[in-house]
Amino acid sequence: RKEVEQDPGPFNVPEGATVAFNCTYSNSASQSFFWYRQDCRKEPKLLMSVYSSGNEDGRFTAQLNRASQYISLLIRDSKLSDSATYLCVVADSSYKLIFGSGTRLLVRP
Amino acid sequence: DVKVTQSSRYLVKRTGEKVFLECVQDMDHENMFWYRQDPGLGLRLIYFSYDVKMKEKGDIPEGYSVSREKKERFSLILESASTNQTSMYLCASKLEGAWGETQYFGPGTRLLVL
Repeated sequence: RKEVEQDPGPFNVPEGATVAFNCTYSNSASQSFFWYRQDCRKEPKLLMSVYSSGNEDGRFTAQLNRASQYISLLIRDSKLSDSATYLCVVADSSYKLIFGSGTRLLVRP
Repeated sequence: DVKVTQSSRYLVKRTGEKVFLECVQDMDHENMFWYRQDPGLGLRLIYFSYDVKMKEKGDIPEGYSVSREKKERFSLILESASTNQTSMYLCASKLEGAWGETQYFGPGTRLLVL
């Protein structure tokens, strides 16, 4: 079983749609959680950290459910520029990030 | 703005060649990392260094070695390249103690081993 699992997609949605991704992790002792975004042929970049209380950044909302060991990302009012691969990332220590293989999002006009 | 640079964007090598991938960061970060990224497998940690001359194996160190002689530079070495090392290689750096919210990646090197 992979340490961090994501649906690879692709999720193909029209502009303006709301889309949600989930991610599950296996290590109950994991400490920190993040969503990274990776554009085609580019490096991953931090999108947002994920907190137990849930957090929002504009159109993006991230939530963590420690009891069920899953993390979610909700994107409202999708834009064409949101098309990318979204990586779920779990930190077991300050030195080790475990990356999911990513969920691909395609936003169509 | 943090900048992490990698010596090459694309590299083609032959089986058995020795390959050097260089990474330089300009933010005085203590920690540096080398990952490889393959379709369906995500990013996997090869080696990391928490300080100059210090190195630790990641999840897939076999066939690789690293060197960190200066704080800003972290090199990945493929002693004898093999076709299964064809991949995208990503370098990253971060501050000591940060948990990932400040991990910055370089643009990546796409290595093809023939």
